[in-house]
Amino acid sequence: KAGVTQTPRYLIKTRGQQVTLSCSPISGHRSVSWYQQTPGQGLQFLFEYFSETQRNKGNFPGRFSGRQFSNSRSEMNVSTLELGDSALYLCASSLGDRSNQPQHFGDGTRLSIL
Amino acid sequence: QKEVEQDPGPLSVPEGAIVSLNCTYSNSAFQYFMWYRQYSRKGPELLMYTYSSGNKEDGRFTAQVDKSSKYISLFIRDSQPSDSATYLCAMSRASGNTGKLIFGQGTTLQVKP
Repeated sequence: KAGVTQTPRYLIKTRGQQVTLSCSPISGHRSVSWYQQTPGQGLQFLFEYFSETQRNKGNFPGRFSGRQFSNSRSEMNVSTLELGDSALYLCASSLGDRSNQPQHFGDGTRLSIL
Repeated sequence: QKEVEQDPGPLSVPEGAIVSLNCTYSNSAFQYFMWYRQYSRKGPELLMYTYSSGNKEDGRFTAQVDKSSKYISLFIRDSQPSDSATYLCAMSRASGNTGKLIFGQGTTLQVKP
């Protein structure tokens, strides 16, 4: 069974630009969660989508947004990029139909802001 | 104060040693507990997933949860150089916020041959 796939693996942008990251969950998984990982803050929850609806949201500014498609694939968008947005962005999927099923992560997209 | 505290290490042990990794938490609403392993340039890999207090064993790995003390542990027996990685504890509430995991900072482990 294929795991969680994130594209692209690496991305370099400049301040003020916007970026879109993609995540394909494990087949059959309907929940997709996004996390930001930095050396200083560790892994922080951005948001979760289930059946094309945002079900939970973390404490990030509105520049961070996402969506989920009918095939459960998800995209995350960051607008007006700042230097502090440089991070590893991780996507995790789970079945999502019951509380607290285990999440499985992709290898992330490493975003560098110049 | 962070909701989940984890000693970042680094922790260096000889091959074959028993490794103990620990996390403490402050929120009694946490009911589900996980341990992930993360190699450099890779995403976190789920090692253990537990709900109740007590022990859960899987091969060389044992997860221990003590809800009364708000303390969880991961033990690795007969450690191998391939166990060298960052170990992250994570936890979530029993209801609501189903997609939100709260992570510790991660402990870097090095197992020397």
